[in-house]
Amino acid sequence: DGGITQSPKYLFRKEGQNVTLSCEQNLNHDAMYWYRQDPGQGLRLIYYSQIVNDFQKGDIAEGYSVSREKKESFPLTVTSAQKNPTAFYLCASKPLAGGDYNEQFFGPGTRLTVL
Amino acid sequence: GESVGLHLPTLSVQEGDNSIINCAYSNSASDYFIWYKQESGKGPQFIIDIRSNMDKRQGQRVTVLLNKTVKHLSLQIAATQPGDSAVYFCAENFGTSYDKVIFGPGTSLSVIP
Repeated sequence: DGGITQSPKYLFRKEGQNVTLSCEQNLNHDAMYWYRQDPGQGLRLIYYSQIVNDFQKGDIAEGYSVSREKKESFPLTVTSAQKNPTAFYLCASKPLAGGDYNEQFFGPGTRLTVL
Repeated sequence: GESVGLHLPTLSVQEGDNSIINCAYSNSASDYFIWYKQESGKGPQFIIDIRSNMDKRQGQRVTVLLNKTVKHLSLQIAATQPGDSAVYFCAENFGTSYDKVIFGPGTSLSVIP
C-alpha cells in the first residue's frame, strides 16, 4: 500500500529531553511538511522540504529541527528549547506541481505529551 | 501577513440538511485551493480542490465555490450525514510548484441526528 506513516502514535517526554518523531512516505513525493496542531486550532507549519538535503523554516520553527537525508523520510526532532511541545504533530507530503492533483497527503499524526 | 481565515468556527446542522462552510483568503497570488476533512485524532484528508480559473467544482455530495473578486471560498455538503461530522480546513496554495500552503483555522461541523 502506498501512503505516509508516522510513528509513534503517542509519545511521552520528560521536560528537558529531546525526542524525534518519524515520518516516512512511499508515494515518491518530493515535498514533505511538518505541522503542529493544538486543541481546537488549525495547522501551523514547522518545517518543509522540497528536495533531499534541503529544508526551510515554517512559521514556528523555533525549538524544532529536521533532516531530509532520504526522499522518503523527514524526521522531526522536538528539542528541549521548545517551551510548550505538547501538541498533535502532523506530517504531510505532496508532489510538486505538474500533475492534476497537488493536494497534501497526511499521516495519522503523533500526539506528544510532555510530563 | 497573508492568511486564510474562516468565518464560522463551529457549525451545527440537522441530518439531511445542506451544510455551507466558508473561507476567506487574502493572498491574491494563490491559485489553487483545497478543502480537507479532519476527523478526531486523525490526519486531514482531501475532499475537493479547485483552481483559480474555475468558479465551481462538484464532487460526490460536495461542491466548492470560488469567488476571486471577494477572495472567498465555500464548501457545500449536500444531505449532511453523521459521518460528515469533523473539522474542515481550507488551504490555499501558491508558489512556482504549489509548495507554499496556508491553512485556515478550521470549522467544526456537528451533525444532529
